[in-house]
Amino acid sequence: EVQLVESGGGLVQPGGSLTLSCAASGFIFSGYWMSWVRQVPGKGLQWVATINQDGSAKYYVDSVKGRFTISRDNAQNSLYLQVHSLRAGDTALYYCARLYSPAYYSPLDAWGQGTLVTVSS
Amino acid sequence: DIQMTQSPSSLSASVGDRVTITCRASQSISKYLNWYQQKPGKAPKLLIYEASNLHRGVPPRFGGSGSGTDFSLTITYLQPEDFATYICQHSYSNSWTFGQGTKVEIK
Repeated sequence: EVQLVESGGGLVQPGGSLTLSCAASGFIFSGYWMSWVRQVPGKGLQWVATINQDGSAKYYVDSVKGRFTISRDNAQNSLYLQVHSLRAGDTALYYCARLYSPAYYSPLDAWGQGTLVTVSS
Repeated sequence: DIQMTQSPSSLSASVGDRVTITCRASQSISKYLNWYQQKPGKAPKLLIYEASNLHRGVPPRFGGSGSGTDFSLTITYLQPEDFATYICQHSYSNSWTFGQGTKVEIK
């Protein structure tokens, strides 16, 4: 069974940093592109970042470029999102998700349950 | 950025109804339109990819169509478990956007 389990969220002050993690199991992690998607509770979804299988290609939504970094450790079956210079607008539930096939135009076919990041003083 | 606009934002329907939700892209996205279902407190689930392909395990009462800028999701014979929010997403470029969602409620 495919499982994605996020961790690392929490309450952080504006300007602070966090590292979000996603532990993958039930599939060959190194064969899949992965993404982070966030959702303000009660609101819509926003794509945040995508990384290819070996980490050589990374894509970000404009609002997080220069502040967020997506990375992966295929030996540890883990995906990461380093978030810096956090703003109130970054408050959201952050989902880790798997791309169905190895291309940026692929849909997201497996999702974790999310980790909540709250930015507040 | 490509903007995705769904309509309606919500609708009320009864079990057994046929429901259609539309999604419009601000520019052509070819066939690269995906549909998700999300229930309260849960992660989204993939229903349809590349406009009309049913994801494995999704009941055939769900169907998608469209290309270019205009797409639709149709649920024939609505079931109790189908009351949820439906969200479109384009994957045409390497910068994706989602629609704002359509909440399907029980009439």
